[in-house]
Amino acid sequence: DAGVIQSPRHEVTEMGQEVTLRCKPISGHDYLFWYRQTMMRGLELLIYFNNNVPIDDSGMPEDRFSAKMPNASFSTLKIQPSEPRDSAVYFCASSLALAGGPGELFFGEGSRLTVL
Amino acid sequence: AQSVTQPDIHITVSEGASLELRCNYSYGATPYLFWYVQSPGQGLQLLLKYFSGDTLVQGIKGFEAEFKRSQSSFNLRKPSVHWSDAAEYFCAVVSNTGGFKTIFGAGTRLFVKA
Repeated sequence: DAGVIQSPRHEVTEMGQEVTLRCKPISGHDYLFWYRQTMMRGLELLIYFNNNVPIDDSGMPEDRFSAKMPNASFSTLKIQPSEPRDSAVYFCASSLALAGGPGELFFGEGSRLTVL
Repeated sequence: AQSVTQPDIHITVSEGASLELRCNYSYGATPYLFWYVQSPGQGLQLLLKYFSGDTLVQGIKGFEAEFKRSQSSFNLRKPSVHWSDAAEYFCAVVSNTGGFKTIFGAGTRLFVKA
């Protein structure tokens, strides 16, 4: 079975440019999460979806960040305009529902974003 | 608010020695608890999980963890560490504050010396 697939694996862009990160969750999973990982702040939950509906976006740092899940097999995280402080590794993860909440998370390999 | 604390930022052990990584959580009800491992340049992989029942859970790669409600702890252990265990380890809890979501601790980086 294919795992969680993220693209691109690496992105280098200039400040002010739009960045779109993509994620394909594991088929049949109910939950999709976007995390950001930096040395300073560790793993931060940005937003998560349940059955394609955004449930909690309180971790999205600013209005420059937006996420969508138009269907069960695809999600995007967009940053517009990007800033150097957005440089990080962005992980997508998916899971099955378990007694009202997510179970084990399956992570993609991450998208490493560098904003110059 | 629910939280997860991993008090050790990094730990160094000798190959073949035993290992214990600490995790404490703050949660009102019985939590769902997890340990994940991250190798450099990779995503996180589940080592083990606790939902209910036996408080000592076995995971992959020879790891185990014990849930202690009285201490609000879920420490990870391995009796004999291998050089390939060098990685970062994350404890996580599913929180039901404002909806169910998985919250991670800050991580503990394990170094293994020959």
